[in-house]
Amino acid sequence: EAGVAQSPRYKIIEKRQSVAFWCNPISGHATLYWYQQILGQGPKLLIQFQNNGVVDDSQLPKDRFSAERLKGVDSTLKIQPAKLEDSAVYLCASSSWLGLNTEAFFGQGTRLTVV
Amino acid sequence: SQQGEEDPQALSIQEGENATMNCSYKTSINNLQWYRQNSGRGLVHLILIRSNEREKHSGRLRVTLDTSKKSSSLLITASRAADTASYFCATSFYNQGGKLIFGQGTELSVKP
Repeated sequence: EAGVAQSPRYKIIEKRQSVAFWCNPISGHATLYWYQQILGQGPKLLIQFQNNGVVDDSQLPKDRFSAERLKGVDSTLKIQPAKLEDSAVYLCASSSWLGLNTEAFFGQGTRLTVV
Repeated sequence: SQQGEEDPQALSIQEGENATMNCSYKTSINNLQWYRQNSGRGLVHLILIRSNEREKHSGRLRVTLDTSKKSSSLLITASRAADTASYFCATSFYNQGGKLIFGQGTELSVKP
């Protein structure tokens, strides 16, 4: 079974530029999560999808971050414009059914550096 | 805001010793999960314990859950250098569609 795929693995941009991350979850997984992990901290949930609908985006800075999951499969997370404090690893995860009593599978993450 | 508080933040032990990490949380949960993260890598699921369970084992891992104290512990027995990693607890909540919230983690170093 293929795992969660993320790209790119690394990205360096200047502040005020825009950037997009892509995630392909495990086939058949209805729930998709995007997390932001700042160095030395635990992952912070940005947004959770169930199929192509948003379950929770309460921690997503909506003035600069956006995410979509067209057709309930792949997802993209965009930052526009980026700030220095957005430097972090962006993790995508998926789980099979609403995440209740099921584990989440994580991709390798995208390491973003904003200079 | 983070739900879980983990203790200790860092732990250094010798190979063969046991490692214990603790996690406390604030609100009622559906389940609690433990994940491991090697440096620069994604998170790997270790074990899930449901709110109606008190203890669970998986190989050298033992997890306990005390819902009255809103706390959990992860015990790694007979640790190995390969167990060196960061360990995170994550809580999943009732009526929130499986929202999974992580703690700040415990950084474990096992010296050979």
